[in-house]
Parts: sequence; C-alpha cells; structure tokens
Amino acid sequence: GAVVSQHPSWVICKSGTSVKIECRSLDFQATTMFWYRQFPKQSLMLMATSNEGSKATYEQGVEKDKFLINHASLTLSTLTVTSAHPEDSSFYICSARAGVIYEQFFGPGTRLTVL
Amino acid sequence: SQQGEEDPQALSIQEGENATMNCSYKTSINNLQWYRQNSGRGLVHLILIRSNEREKHSGRLRVTLDTSKKSSSLLITASRAADTASYFCATDGFQKLVFGTGTRLLVSP
Repeated sequence: GAVVSQHPSWVICKSGTSVKIECRSLDFQATTMFWYRQFPKQSLMLMATSNEGSKATYEQGVEKDKFLINHASLTLSTLTVTSAHPEDSSFYICSARAGVIYEQFFGPGTRLTVL
Repeated sequence: SQQGEEDPQALSIQEGENATMNCSYKTSINNLQWYRQNSGRGLVHLILIRSNEREKHSGRLRVTLDTSKKSSSLLITASRAADTASYFCATDGFQKLVFGTGTRLLVSP
C-alpha cells in the first residue's frame, strides 16, 4: 500500500510555544489530507480536511486559529499547534488519499506533550 | 456526534478463542473499514467492506455488514496474544472517515 510519513514522531514543548507537524505522502499525490486527534484510550476524532491549494475545512468545535493547517503541495500538509497548552497534549494522526474514490492511508502519528 | 459506537468497549479472552466486536453507525455509507491500533502506535488497515457487500473474509478475519440495521461485526477466529490491540470501525460516507469508539481486546496466553 501507499506510504504516509509524519514528522516528528514525538515532540515535547513548553506551554505557549508553537509546534509544526508534517504529513507527507511518499509515493502518491494526495489531493486530500485529513488530520485526526486521539486522546489516551479514546477514538480518533477528525479535526480537519484539507484539499491541496485550498483552505482546510474544520470540524465543529476545532479552533481554526489554534490549529493551522496548510496543504501547499500534493505531497505535504502541515499542522501547526499555536500557543500550545498542556490540554493540547495528544496523539495527532494524519491520513491522505489520492481522490474521493480512493482509500485513505494513515501516517504513524505524532505524540505531542506540552509541559 | 456522528461517531459510531462499538461494543463491547473491552473484551478479554484466552488464546484460541474467537473475538467478536460490533459496530453501529448513524449515516449512509459508501463502505465500512476496520482498523487495529497497538498501544501508542499508528493504525493498521484490516479490511474494507462495501455497502453492497454483506460479508467479507481475510485470513482469520470475518466482517459482516447489515446496512438496514446500520451495523457491522468483526470476528477474529483462533485469537493469538499478538491480536491484543484496540480495534476501530470507520465509516466512509464519501467525504471523510468517521471512527467508532473502539474495542480494546486483550488476548491472554
């Protein structure tokens, strides 16, 4: 299957700083990328959907100014957690697909810990 | 919330036994998928069943889908300790995947 990578795999930062997480599709062009958030022992919650070259669509309750998403190319999307706080500590997972009819492929996740 | 629900929330069995997990969802779907997640790790895609299919097999996995009841089940036969993980169903309604609440499976040797 297709490969999606995330970087970094884990990050620890101080409260108030911003953190950028990258999601890359390595062997296909991803017209759509998705960002999920997962708290311990809970399910994945979709945060936003991003299409290459356009603004991301955020799910209800997700702060657009807090979680900045950029999908500047067909192989790269970034999630920036701005002014991170301890409650933003979570496991962030991205996924990508080549088109509406195609399967989503998931990245390995990024564990964010905000001190 | 559009999130699907799974039951049981947790399941503990012995090696060699079968494990059955159920998933219920709320909206029309294009397909339903099952994923496995080991603790603190990424997702592993297990199987996809389309809305016009009723049953699908893959190795020791058997998935059923009842669109009239908006429900699906995942059966793992002859379980192994390595099957210990969380299992999630995810419904694909053309736009995005919506994950269920998950079942934590513990298989004891």
